Amino acid sequence: GENVEQHPSTLSVQEGDSAVIKCTYSDSASNYFPWYKQELGKRPQLIIDIRSNVGEKKDQRIAVTLNKTAKHFSLHITETQPEDSAVYFCAAKGSSASKIIFGSGTRLSIRP
Amino acid sequence: DTEVTQTPKHLVMGMTNKKSLKCEQHMGHRAMYWYKQKAKKPPELMFVYSYEKLSINESVPSRFSPECPNSSLLNLHLHALQPEDSALYLCASSHPGQGEYEQYFGPGTRLTVT
Repeated sequence: GENVEQHPSTLSVQEGDSAVIKCTYSDSASNYFPWYKQELGKRPQLIIDIRSNVGEKKDQRIAVTLNKTAKHFSLHITETQPEDSAVYFCAAKGSSASKIIFGSGTRLSIRP
Repeated sequence: DTEVTQTPKHLVMGMTNKKSLKCEQHMGHRAMYWYKQKAKKPPELMFVYSYEKLSINESVPSRFSPECPNSSLLNLHLHALQPEDSALYLCASSHPGQGEYEQYFGPGTRLTVT
């Protein structure tokens, strides 16, 4: 069935350094890949997304890359700040137009 | 208005109680979702409504009963829940049209079943 794997499960980086989170998906028909940030006790918040007709997308300090051949996509955060500490979920749109499949999440901690 | 709202924020109920969770959006979205999220886990899809019709039921037990009274409102009726049903219940909405996939989440209802 449809599956999204996410690594690492936890990530600790020094403030100012970069963080990279990687995901793989199983359904070759997937064409939409959102990333959500969830702070403790809050809702998942869409921070960036990419579609399968694009290889890379950037929004200020956040970028997402997509390799359709390998079925990999990654989130890159540069110049990390304390407010970047949160759980990040990748996701992929499944065969249903309305259904997205979430990865297991990465807990990102930024060390001062 | 770019927000999805949910009430109540917190709910404690016994296993014999009947309660309802409510969700509202005024973004003109015609797809609405219920998710269940346990601690340290991703959101788990329960139901999808598209144009006020139930389009996806992820084999959810019948003690959870969704309802979509109109295009802005989504309810989740709860009855005879189990302690393992304690979780954060998230509502989300999106355009169901081709190419518009972004889902926006409400703040959630934290449910405790005693």
